[in-house]
Amino acid sequence: QVQLQESGPGLVKPSETLSLTCTVSGGSINNYHWTWIRQPPGKGLEWIGYISYSGNTNYNPSLKSRVTISVDTSKNQFSLKVSSVTAADTAVYYCARARDWVSYWYLDTWGRGTLVSVSS
Amino acid sequence: DIQMTQSPSSLSASVGDRVTIACRASQRISSYLNWYQQKPGKAPELLIYAASTLQTGVPSRFSGGGSGTDFTLTISSLQPEDFATYYCQQSYSTPTWTFGQGTMVDI
Repeated sequence: QVQLQESGPGLVKPSETLSLTCTVSGGSINNYHWTWIRQPPGKGLEWIGYISYSGNTNYNPSLKSRVTISVDTSKNQFSLKVSSVTAADTAVYYCARARDWVSYWYLDTWGRGTLVSVSS
Repeated sequence: DIQMTQSPSSLSASVGDRVTIACRASQRISSYLNWYQQKPGKAPELLIYAASTLQTGVPSRFSGGGSGTDFTLTISSLQPEDFATYYCQQSYSTPTWTFGQGTMVDI
C-alpha cells in the first residue's frame, strides 16, 4: 500500500525559504494529484496546493506568491518551497495523495506530517 | 473562494450516542464534499468522499449526507475511538480545496 513520508528541516529562519520533500513508496506517482496541507499548532487545516504527476499546479491564492510545488517522477517525490517565511508559517506540514472517483477528488493517503518552526 | 462552516465547533457526547455534525458551503458544491477524522498528534484520515461514499475500511456507523450547500456527518453509535476532531473539505472549486474549521468531539 502507498505510504508518504515528509522530510526537511524542522527549523527555518525568518525571511528564508522553507523546503520539504514528500517521498512516495509502495506505488507510482503517476495518475494522481499530490498535495500539501498545513496545520498551525492548535488550529485547523489549511490547503496549500497540489501538483499533478504531469506537473500542472494549483495554489491557494493567499500563498501563491510564495509557494512552489514541484514533482520528480524519477524519484517518486514531490516538493514544497515557501519563500520569505515568518512565524505565521510555523505549522505541521502534511503531504497527501489526491485521487478521484468519477471526478470527485479526495485525499485518501496522508503522510505523518512534519513540524516546521520559523524562528531566529 | 468557497468558505466552509462547520457546526458545532465542539460537542460533548457519551459512548453510544448518535452524533451529527453539520457543514455548510458558501455556495453550491454539488456533492464535492469530503469528511476526515483527526486524532491528537496524528494525520487526518479520510472517512467519506463525494458526500456519502464510505471510504474502504471505515466502520458503517459513519455516514454522510447532503448536497448543494448543506451536508452532515453522522456517527450512529459513538465509540471510544471516535473521540477526535472532524473536518469537512470541498473539492468543487480549484485552486483551493477549502477545509471547514473542524468539530471536536469529546467526552
